[in-house]
Amino acid sequence: GQQVMQIPQYQHVQEGEDFTTYCNSSTTLSNIQWYKQRPGGHPVFLIQLVKSGEVKKQKRLTFQFGEAKKNSSLHITATQTTDVGTYFCAGPNSGYALNFGKGTSLLVTP
Amino acid sequence: DTGVSQNPRHKITKRGQNVTFRCDPISEHNRLYWYRQTLGQGPEFLTYFQNEAQLEKSRLLSDRFSAERPKGSFSTLEIQRTEQGDSAMYLCASSSDGLAGLSEQFFGPGTRLTVL
Repeated sequence: GQQVMQIPQYQHVQEGEDFTTYCNSSTTLSNIQWYKQRPGGHPVFLIQLVKSGEVKKQKRLTFQFGEAKKNSSLHITATQTTDVGTYFCAGPNSGYALNFGKGTSLLVTP
Repeated sequence: DTGVSQNPRHKITKRGQNVTFRCDPISEHNRLYWYRQTLGQGPEFLTYFQNEAQLEKSRLLSDRFSAERPKGSFSTLEIQRTEQGDSAMYLCASSSDGLAGLSEQFFGPGTRLTVL
């Protein structure tokens, strides 16, 4: 079945540094979603990408969907301590539920 | 608060006991999902409802697991004869119909199950 893999598993940065997490699927995705989970919290939706090569920005966050719709990335410019958490990408399974990657845990030190 | 709610938030049980969790989705959402999350992993899909119909079940969902959504509103997830391997956070999410069939999922706070 479809698997979604994320790298790196962990990332520790100094506040102000940039951060990128990558997501790769074994199959072509119709769309991909990104979620953020703060420590002790639940996943919160960030964005959905649908079109091949799509790029979307939310303030310091930039999301990309690959041309082949098999990979995606999330880039955070000038990280802040509020960016701490685990970032998950998720692709649709055969129905409407999601297959999540294992996530990238981001730690930001001041 | 009009978000997704789950009860109880924590459940400690002994191996072999049955447990039931409840999820109240956002009221206008017709889709409801159950996921399980263990430490260091992403949420794993368990089952999905469209209104009251259970349309999809993961192979992870053994015969000891059953879920219902009797009136298309709240849902319950029951685990019979719990095992230590069932210890996890059980997350419920809901969504409305979306473009291309997929839309943002709103997650509840989860029920943390510990099986002793």
